[in-house]
Amino acid sequence: NAGVTQTPKFQVLKTGQSMTLQCAQDMNHEYMSWYRQDPGMGLRLIHYSVGAGITDQGEVPNGYNVSRSTTEDFPLRLLSAAPSQTSVYFCASSSDSHYGYTFGSGTRLTVV
Amino acid sequence: AQSVTQLGSHVSVSEGALVLLRCNYSSSVPPYLFWYVQYPNQGLQLLLKYTSAATLVKGINGFEAEFKKSETSFHLTKPSAHMSDAAEYFCAVSNFGNEKLTFGTGTRLTIIP
Repeated sequence: NAGVTQTPKFQVLKTGQSMTLQCAQDMNHEYMSWYRQDPGMGLRLIHYSVGAGITDQGEVPNGYNVSRSTTEDFPLRLLSAAPSQTSVYFCASSSDSHYGYTFGSGTRLTVV
Repeated sequence: AQSVTQLGSHVSVSEGALVLLRCNYSSSVPPYLFWYVQYPNQGLQLLLKYTSAATLVKGINGFEAEFKKSETSFHLTKPSAHMSDAAEYFCAVSNFGNEKLTFGTGTRLTIIP
């Protein structure tokens, strides 16, 4: 099925550990974004990309890295996990800003 | 710069009553506006969008929204609430040449039987 696929769906990390959240889309979309969702704060943009090889920071980029080597994949790396990074993470993609974004089903991350 | 403000973090309506969820935007250029819905433990689904065509936009599940430039608003309505409408609703804004989508803080809609 076409769409945005995120893995894993759930993850528990210890403080200081690193990990990569995977995101893949099969719609040939140029734009991809990572958001985190926290209660009462809506979705906040972490990083985004307008095409392979091009990334930029969003509203809350600290503690996260991204790269975009292919159009399909946009992984999010947590360098040294902290409890403040406990959240639900969503990846999204779009072909153009006026079409809106298609969202993945999310990764629920807990840092202990 | 762009932003959206959603008035009311929680809204409760009786089944069959009018649903009205409020969204005001700020944008230095003509905006693209979106409403998304999130059911429990799921991702976000696009309800409807405004991209400078008709100001009254119809979406899925009987929802619609009206773009009012003079009021910088894009409120979401549904004439008759159904139990299945219980979810969290997010208003979002982007614009031509700005690929970033900025979200409001969300409104949780509860339907009273």
